[in-house]
Amino acid sequence: DAGVTQSPTHLIKTRGQQVTLRCSPKSGHDTVSWYQQALGQGPQFIFQYYEEEERQRGNFPDRFSGHQFPNYSSELNVNALLLGDSALYLCASSLEGWRLADYEQYFGPGTRLTVT
Amino acid sequence: GQQVMQIPQYQHVQEGEDFTTYCNSSTTLSNIQWYKQRPGGHPVFLIQLVKSGEVKKQKRLTFQFGEAKKNSSLHITATQTTDVGTYFCAGSGNSNYQLIWGAGTKLIIKP
Repeated sequence: DAGVTQSPTHLIKTRGQQVTLRCSPKSGHDTVSWYQQALGQGPQFIFQYYEEEERQRGNFPDRFSGHQFPNYSSELNVNALLLGDSALYLCASSLEGWRLADYEQYFGPGTRLTVT
Repeated sequence: GQQVMQIPQYQHVQEGEDFTTYCNSSTTLSNIQWYKQRPGGHPVFLIQLVKSGEVKKQKRLTFQFGEAKKNSSLHITATQTTDVGTYFCAGSGNSNYQLIWGAGTKLIIKP
């Protein structure tokens, strides 16, 4: 049973560029959430996708956008990168539910994004 | 907005000593989850608490949810090197269905 997978593992971008991160959820899961984790901090919720729609969103600017595909995989796009966007980006999948707290979340290994 | 504070930020213990991390919310929580993140790894779900005053045990780990559902704790008895990592609590308010994460407590085993 494959767990949550993310690609790429590491990425280095320049300020102002755009980046796309990818996530495949655990088998049987249809809800995907994205988190940003700065060094030494807890994960910060970016947004959640269910049934190909953004269901919930955290306090992140519109530069952060996403998409969910019919096979439940998801992408996170960040435009106009800032130095402060450097972080570990985590994808988590769970069973159906817009109440994130109802179900345990399975995290992928993350994508380490460095903006120079 | 809802905030979840976690203390301490770090705890250094000798192997075999106990470890406790505390989680406090500014608002009443509907439930709370605990995760462990090993160095260089990703968060792994440990447990979810839902009921007021709930206590759950997993081997050497004891989780508690406060009577007012505004605080929670994780206690590890007789720490082992495999316990090293950062422990996070994540709570959800009654009207906000997002998980708000604490900043974590890093458990460090002294050599």
